[in-house]
Amino acid sequence: SAVISQKPSRDICQRGTSLTIQCQVDSQVTMMFWYRQQPGQSLTLIATANQGSEATYESGFVIDKFPISRPNLTFSTLTVSNMSPEDSSIYLCSVEVYSYGYTFGSGTRLTVV
Amino acid sequence: DAKTTQPNSMESNEEEPVHLPCNHSTISGTDYIHWYRQLPSQGPEYVIHGLTSNVNNRMASLAIAEDRKSSTLILHRATLRDAAVYYCINSGGGADGLTFGKGTHLIIQP
Repeated sequence: SAVISQKPSRDICQRGTSLTIQCQVDSQVTMMFWYRQQPGQSLTLIATANQGSEATYESGFVIDKFPISRPNLTFSTLTVSNMSPEDSSIYLCSVEVYSYGYTFGSGTRLTVV
Repeated sequence: DAKTTQPNSMESNEEEPVHLPCNHSTISGTDYIHWYRQLPSQGPEYVIHGLTSNVNNRMASLAIAEDRKSSTLILHRATLRDAAVYYCINSGGGADGLTFGKGTHLIIQP
């Protein structure tokens, strides 16, 4: 199955600033997925990123707040913009690997102060 | 994705089998039944998935009801490292991604 490297693993940011999270996969994949896990909660899908096209956002998530880039088949970034304490969460990227289901990165633990 | 129903928590003893149930009465004919688990401070980990027939792999077994409205994840011999939140998810795969419910918090007693 694929191996995902996600950076940074954690960060503490000031409110009003932005953080860009990187996701690198060791093989080419068509789609990459970004999830948010708020404290004590389950995972929620933010958006799906397909190389060469704009990301598709789930209800409740907008591009201005969570812009996503997908420059090639092994890399994607998620930016959390104009952060507030409510954005404090774990952000995870994921890819689908045929016959192996979905593989997840270890996540980025974000704290906004 | 169809909604799944799981118990909030379950407790078992080390070295004993564990049966984790999941109800998915509105599953579509093309949705797979996926199981993932999330250990503390880690991303979700794939456990097993199937469509109609029972499935076995090195981690677990998946028993799927004949009408596909329920399934059971079987850990044959639980260890302390199996303590995690287990998610049962119905998904067609591809661009669908995964819709996570609350999952079952599995506690393993030594």
